Amino acid sequence: ELKVEQNPLFLSMQEGKNYTIYCNYSTTSDRLYWYRQDPGKSLESLFVLLSNGAVKQEGRLMASLDTKARLSTLHITAAVHDLSATYFCAVDYGGSQGNLIFGKGTKLSVKP
Amino acid sequence: DVKVTQSSRYLVKRTGEKVFLECVQDMDHENMFWYRQDPGLGLRLIYFSYDVKMKEKGDIPEGYSVSREKKERFSLILESASTNQTSMYLCASGGQGTFAYGYTFGSGTRLTVV
Repeated sequence: ELKVEQNPLFLSMQEGKNYTIYCNYSTTSDRLYWYRQDPGKSLESLFVLLSNGAVKQEGRLMASLDTKARLSTLHITAAVHDLSATYFCAVDYGGSQGNLIFGKGTKLSVKP
Repeated sequence: DVKVTQSSRYLVKRTGEKVFLECVQDMDHENMFWYRQDPGLGLRLIYFSYDVKMKEKGDIPEGYSVSREKKERFSLILESASTNQTSMYLCASGGQGTFAYGYTFGSGTRLTVV
């Protein structure tokens, strides 16, 4: 069965702290995506990781992919309130149409 | 930028009604998808289409059908709405080489069936 598991599912952080969200997946893939969703809004693409060892950074967020371990991480550095949102990882298991399987999401709350 | 437009942000329908959710994309993408999103369950794929008049069932197609008569438009149909179809519905699209960019999502339709 194809599975994508994120942890934690809920994360409450203080501003200025660092933390990492983990995304594990069950079957070989070298295509992984991170999305952000604000309350009541749709999903916005954050990072696209397409090979083993890929690392992408945008502001206080950095994503990496280890295809051998079937693991991606989303690292938050010096969190600020504006990062409060739900973060989803999604894995492409291939096929001509590119079907993404999503994790359940990590709801991040950054408090002053 | 790719735009994926869903026709309604909020809908309230009665049990048993036939409901149409419309999605239009403006980037000539081949692939289009319908998901529903529920608390604690994440995003679940209902149907997808990789070409005009083509459709494939996703993980939870029961109670739904789709139509893709034109490349830019992908409609989700609830033949007889039920209260357990109350949810947020998200449309997404992706082109050839979707893997390089992932999907682009519409703003979502929050459907309430009463």
